[in-house]
Amino acid sequence: GQQLNQSPQSMFIQEGEDVSMNCTSSSIFNTWLWYKQEPGEGPVLLIALYKAGELTSNGRLTAQFGITRKDSFLNISASIPSDVGIYFCAGFTYFGNEKLTFGTGTRLTIIP
Amino acid sequence: NAGVTQTPKFQVLKTGQSMTLQCAQDMNHEYMSWYRQDPGMGLRLIHYSVGAGITDQGEVPNGYNVSRSTTEDFPLRLLSAAPSQTSVYFCASSYSGQGPTEAFFGQGTRLTVV
Repeated sequence: GQQLNQSPQSMFIQEGEDVSMNCTSSSIFNTWLWYKQEPGEGPVLLIALYKAGELTSNGRLTAQFGITRKDSFLNISASIPSDVGIYFCAGFTYFGNEKLTFGTGTRLTIIP
Repeated sequence: NAGVTQTPKFQVLKTGQSMTLQCAQDMNHEYMSWYRQDPGMGLRLIHYSVGAGITDQGEVPNGYNVSRSTTEDFPLRLLSAAPSQTSVYFCASSYSGQGPTEAFFGQGTRLTVV
């Protein structure tokens, strides 16, 4: 089946630093999604990408759909304490089974 | 504005017991799905439904049953609980047409099987 490799697994950064994480796949996706999960909550959608090469921003967050359709990255600029959580990428292919495949997550911790 | 509602939030079961995890959405979404989340493994799809009366298996369906009699509800049944089913379970819903893109998640049910 499809696999998503997400890296890094965890990050420890200081407030104000920029953050970068990425996801790579062994196969092509038509859609890439980025979710954030806070403790005790379900994942919340941050950004959705639908076209290869697409670059989309949501406030301090920027994500890109890789040109090969096998990868995506998420950047967070000027991190703040509320950015703490686990970030998941997810991919979907229209003509495969109707399933989202999730990455294993990047845990972001902000050091005071 | 309820979104996706899961009940219960916490549950402890003994091995061999059965139970139903409830999931309801009020957004008229056709696509609904169940995931389990285990440490270091992300979210894995258990079962999904593209509309009332239609269900299909996901990546890890063994030990679980689902049915979809209405658009709003998608319950997950554990037939005979096992310690390996200790996990956090999430229900999600999304507009159909292009599959489960932009899924909205419930708050989760934390299940412990002893």
